[in-house]
Amino acid sequence: DAGVIQSPRHEVTEMGQEVTLRCKPISGHDYLFWYRQTMMRGLELLIYFNNNVPIDDSGMPEDRFSAKMPNASFSTLKIQPSEPRDSAVYFCASSPRGTQYFGPGTRLLVL
Amino acid sequence: GESVGLHLPTLSVQEGDNSIINCAYSNSASDYFIWYKQESGKGPQFIIDIRSNMDKRQGQRVTVLLNKTVKHLSLQIAATQPGDSAVYFCAERGNSWDQGGKLIFGQGTELSVKP
Repeated sequence: DAGVIQSPRHEVTEMGQEVTLRCKPISGHDYLFWYRQTMMRGLELLIYFNNNVPIDDSGMPEDRFSAKMPNASFSTLKIQPSEPRDSAVYFCASSPRGTQYFGPGTRLLVL
Repeated sequence: GESVGLHLPTLSVQEGDNSIINCAYSNSASDYFIWYKQESGKGPQFIIDIRSNMDKRQGQRVTVLLNKTVKHLSLQIAATQPGDSAVYFCAERGNSWDQGGKLIFGQGTELSVKP
């Protein structure tokens, strides 16, 4: 298995622009998680899905952030409009039950 | 509130020595614990896990110990190698009813192995 796939790996954008991060979970995994990692705040859970349904989005910072999972093999995390404080590494992880397997992350820089 | 914290943010060891990374957790209802390794520029990688009905579990060169009495988790790495240099995170699952549910991660400990 190729593991969790994320794209793009790096994204540089200007403040106010829309950013879309993509994730393909491991086939057969029912759970999908979006995390954000910064030096200041560490690893933060933003939202997670079970069978394509959002279960807990309490970690989503504000209305500028939205996440979707239209099918079992694809999810997106969108930031609109982006701000410099959104700069971080965003990880997607998937899980069959219990252990979560992380993707390589998307490094986002908002100028 | 519930939290997972690490006692030592940095740990430096000599190659070949054993390493011990510690983690304290606050939720006595947590039923599942995981250790992750994160190398620079990569995502966290699963190392080993343990359920709350166990107090010890061994893998290849790694051992996880769970002390529920004092709510303490440790990761032992035998014969530490330069490739072990990374940040190590402990994580706990607080809701046993949701087997796939969210994990709470500690802040991480950076392990540095000196050749």
